Amino acid sequence: KQEVTQIPAALSVPEGENLVLNCSFTDSAIYNLQWFRQDPGKGLTSLLLIQSSQREQTSGRLNASLDKSSGRSTLYIAASQPGDSATYLCAVSPLKTSYDKVIFGPGTSLSVIP
Amino acid sequence: EAQVTQNPRYLITVTGKKLTVTCSQNMNHEYMSWYRQDPGLGLRQIYYSMNVEVTDKGDVPEGYKVSRKEKRNFPLILESPSPNQTSLYFCASRRDWSSYNEQFFGPGTRLTVL
Repeated sequence: KQEVTQIPAALSVPEGENLVLNCSFTDSAIYNLQWFRQDPGKGLTSLLLIQSSQREQTSGRLNASLDKSSGRSTLYIAASQPGDSATYLCAVSPLKTSYDKVIFGPGTSLSVIP
Repeated sequence: EAQVTQNPRYLITVTGKKLTVTCSQNMNHEYMSWYRQDPGLGLRQIYYSMNVEVTDKGDVPEGYKVSRKEKRNFPLILESPSPNQTSLYFCASRRDWSSYNEQFFGPGTRLTVL
């Protein structure tokens, strides 16, 4: 059964620091991995989508990598800003399911201190 | 603007009073789904729909119904709500059933059942 974990559960950093969020999944048979941002009490905003054949994706100050063989993905945020404070979720689309499904990790709550 | 909308955004109701949460997308997406988000349990899929008149159960379908009469709309129906259905609900869509496509989420509906 595919399981997704995220470490750390919470992270607090000073403004300007570069940081890395981690996502691990137990089964490497996936279509893709997607990173989302969720602001308190609000919906999920898609940040980056990495297909299984790709190694990384970049958008602005964000860079996400995927290592399927080790079951890991990282989200790198450069020069963090207070506006980056939010919960970051990763989600995988597994190949081996009887129906179409997306499995989410529990999230990492990020606080960027001015 | 491409988006997924949900209504209402906030709802407080009483046990047993039927309610419907609407979801609509303007991207001509074939695939739509409903999730609930609970502390410590993360996001769990309730129902999904691969196209008009095609719906199926997710991980936690008990107590919920859905319908997909039109491509753009995917309402979630609680025939007899109970307090354990108090949660934050999200509707999502993507272009088609293929897991290669990016998911887009609505802003969420916070439901409280007294």
